[in-house]
Amino acid sequence: GENVEQHPSTLSVQEGDSAVIKCTYSDSASNYFPWYKQELGKRPQLIIDIRSNVGEKKDQRIAVTLNKTAKHFSLHITETQPEDSAVYFCAARWTGTASKLTFGTGTRLQVTL
Amino acid sequence: NAGVTQTPKFQVLKTGQSMTLQCAQDMNHEYMSWYRQDPGMGLRLIHYSVGAGITDQGEVPNGYNVSRSTTEDFPLRLLSAAPSQTSVYFCASSYEGQGYEQYFGPGTRLTVT
Repeated sequence: GENVEQHPSTLSVQEGDSAVIKCTYSDSASNYFPWYKQELGKRPQLIIDIRSNVGEKKDQRIAVTLNKTAKHFSLHITETQPEDSAVYFCAARWTGTASKLTFGTGTRLQVTL
Repeated sequence: NAGVTQTPKFQVLKTGQSMTLQCAQDMNHEYMSWYRQDPGMGLRLIHYSVGAGITDQGEVPNGYNVSRSTTEDFPLRLLSAAPSQTSVYFCASSYEGQGYEQYFGPGTRLTVT
């Protein structure tokens, strides 16, 4: 099956700085890579995703990059704000199994003033 | 639309008891999944379904049963609760037309003593 590793497990940045979270996956046939944000006590919510035919995708202050050769993808948050503080999860979808996502172990991002 | 709903929000069980976690969605999504979330381990897939009458195992299926008699409902049954099943359980649904984005329910926090 798929295995997803996520680093770092915790990340502290000052407001206005950038944050980068990295994930690697094992199944070279995986084709969909979403990122979820989870605030304390809440459900995970999709913030951005990328498919294997695209190298980079941006949505305002967040971006995701994908390197299929190296089997890794990254989340970039620019101009961080206190409301960005949360746990972020990457995931990869097994090919041919639409509802089977394998998640990374999460990164707790703390944005300090 | 209510989206994905889960009941109960909280539950305490004694070891050996059985119970059913309820999950329903009103978006006519074909795919539904159950995940458990434990500290430091991300979300792990328990069981999933690609349509009414079709279910399959995920990464951690032992001790759990599911059924999908209708498109809307996907209950998760704990057969004989164990302390190792103390966790937060999330149900999710998705469909092809939305690129398989997973919509999560609010979660059920289960404690087994």
